Amino acid sequence: QSVLTQPPSASGTPGQRVTISCSGSNSNIGTNYVYWYQQLPGAAPKLLIYSNNQRPSGVPDRFSGSKFGTSGTLAISGLRSEDEADYYCGAWDDSLNRPVFGTGTRVTV
Amino acid sequence: EVQLVESGGGLVQPGGSVRLSCAASGFTVSGNYMTWVRQAPGKGLEWVSVIYDDDTTYYADSVRGRFFISRDNSRTLNLQMNSVRDEDTAVYYCARGSWPLDPWGQGTLVTVSS
Repeated sequence: QSVLTQPPSASGTPGQRVTISCSGSNSNIGTNYVYWYQQLPGAAPKLLIYSNNQRPSGVPDRFSGSKFGTSGTLAISGLRSEDEADYYCGAWDDSLNRPVFGTGTRVTV
Repeated sequence: EVQLVESGGGLVQPGGSVRLSCAASGFTVSGNYMTWVRQAPGKGLEWVSVIYDDDTTYYADSVRGRFFISRDNSRTLNLQMNSVRDEDTAVYYCARGSWPLDPWGQGTLVTVSS
């Protein structure tokens, strides 16, 4: 069902840097911004990164995003226990005319 | 504070109907695009439906003809779910916008089972 592909899991020890990839196509990431959502256990998704690399107010600068071609990347530096969550990428898809989500990545600290 | 609160979920039999509501505070539903997204247990996020400010609506192929999105008033968004199937079991989230979606409500669980 998901149009964007992410690794199912990622892990690190406190203080480490973790990266999560998000692979799409020309109709979505290739021509539109990448967004990232954080879903803490039992909670709703929360916007973490918008427009490829922008952080909403209140999001720590340990979280950063980037995009190259048809792929996006989320990086978490200085990993903390409270970062344990599921992370989803998303983008608008010009062919489907709706947003598409990634498969999700569970980060374990 | 901008906030969304969903309600109406519960246990529904296959083939039955249920109506979800989403109450907004801090902004008006009528002045914004609004979206429903669902998440099956242990699964990822699936876009369900959107309503634009001119009342234009769009649906995922999996729910078209069975689900209907609407607004009651300036503060309430609805999702009427008819002819529900086992695969409709999920937490249903409402969210502001068509894209990006921000914020999201806390979700309401719909369980389809006999």
